Amino acid sequence: DSGVTQTPKHLITATGQRVTLRCSPRSGDLSVYWYQQSLDQGLQFLIQYYNGEERAKGNILERFSAQQFPDLHSELNLSSLELGDSALYFCASSVDGSSYGYTFGSGTRLTVV
Amino acid sequence: GQNIDQPTEMTATEGAIVQINCTYQTSGFNGLFWYQQHAGEAPTFLSYNVLDGLEEKGRFSSFLSRSKGYSYLLLKELQMKDSASYLCAAKHASGGSYIPTFGRGTSLIVHP
Repeated sequence: DSGVTQTPKHLITATGQRVTLRCSPRSGDLSVYWYQQSLDQGLQFLIQYYNGEERAKGNILERFSAQQFPDLHSELNLSSLELGDSALYFCASSVDGSSYGYTFGSGTRLTVV
Repeated sequence: GQNIDQPTEMTATEGAIVQINCTYQTSGFNGLFWYQQHAGEAPTFLSYNVLDGLEEKGRFSSFLSRSKGYSYLLLKELQMKDSASYLCAAKHASGGSYIPTFGRGTSLIVHP
């Protein structure tokens, strides 16, 4: 157990729907990073939050949004889902935005049918 | 933009040594990670280099040359359980933070 908790582990939903993925960072970590991993793209950085504020943005689609709450857990919202959004979504956490240790959760496997 | 290159696949024999290379081009470079990832599982941290040179940790070593934009991961005394994907990631400045950008990974197959 890495200490980073992601729920749910698996999610199957239809095109056009909206889902929410949840991440609880490791105790003491203030930063949360979201990544998307598909077979042909590798790990793609989506967005980072630090202590409730957005810090960095990657190739995140406008249909996707995220937030980090006062208790430091984070949610990634995916809307108007398309078949191509099927992927593994990982959350990682670190103590602060510049420390070298990034701990990954076990991921949420999203399947859009 | 950021560019990380590593071989797609490598094979090696149990007990042997294998070197996985990674080249990177990033702005605001601040360190190089190696992660191991078994299929369908979370990446797990192997090593981190911020200064030039070799870092050794048991059977795994990692090397960095900042001037050449080059790193390698050396795995010794290979075991079957080392069959996995190895991800190279360059940490770089992005907005007000530092972000690791990952390569597509090198799938290592260890055979008896």
